[in-house]
Amino acid sequence: DAGVIQSPRHEVTEMGQEVTLRCKPISGHDYLFWYRQTMMRGLELLIYFNNNVPIDDSGMPEDRFSAKMPNASFSTLKIQPSEPRDSAVYFCASSYTQGGSPLHFGNGTRLTVT
Amino acid sequence: SQQGEEDPQALSIQEGENATMNCSYKTSINNLQWYRQNSGRGLVHLILIRSNEREKHSGRLRVTLDTSKKSSSLLITASRAADTASYFCATGDAGGTSYGKLTFGQGTILTVHP
Repeated sequence: DAGVIQSPRHEVTEMGQEVTLRCKPISGHDYLFWYRQTMMRGLELLIYFNNNVPIDDSGMPEDRFSAKMPNASFSTLKIQPSEPRDSAVYFCASSYTQGGSPLHFGNGTRLTVT
Repeated sequence: SQQGEEDPQALSIQEGENATMNCSYKTSINNLQWYRQNSGRGLVHLILIRSNEREKHSGRLRVTLDTSKKSSSLLITASRAADTASYFCATGDAGGTSYGKLTFGQGTILTVHP
């Protein structure tokens, strides 16, 4: 199993540009999570999906952030327009069954907005 | 917001010593999990303990859970330099519409000196 695959690994962009982060979960997992990690705030849950349907997006910081899961093997997190305070490492994780399953994390996308 | 709080924030020990990290949380939980994160990588699941369990072992890892005190501890015995990493506790909500999601603490940075 290749694990959770995220792309790109690093993204440097200028303020105001659109950024799209991508995630391929582990096949068969029906939960997908997007987290953001910063030194100041630690790991924050942004949004999670179950069977491709968004369940809880209360962690999405602003309308500039949006996430989609068009099918079971692909999800995107988009920031438009990006701002310097969005600089962080964004992780995607997947799991199966409800409640109490371990999360499998990708290696993250390090986003720098200048 | 962070549910779990790890203590200490940083721990430095010699190879062969035991390392103990603690986690406290505020609300009722379904399960508590521990993860490890090496620099520049995603989190890796170590062990899960359910709310009706008090202790669990996995190799050199021992986890305890005290739901009356809302706390957990992770013990790594006979530590190795390769154990150097950040360690996070994560709590799963006991119910409600967010059943299935995990909330992470700020982590403990463990350094094991050869």
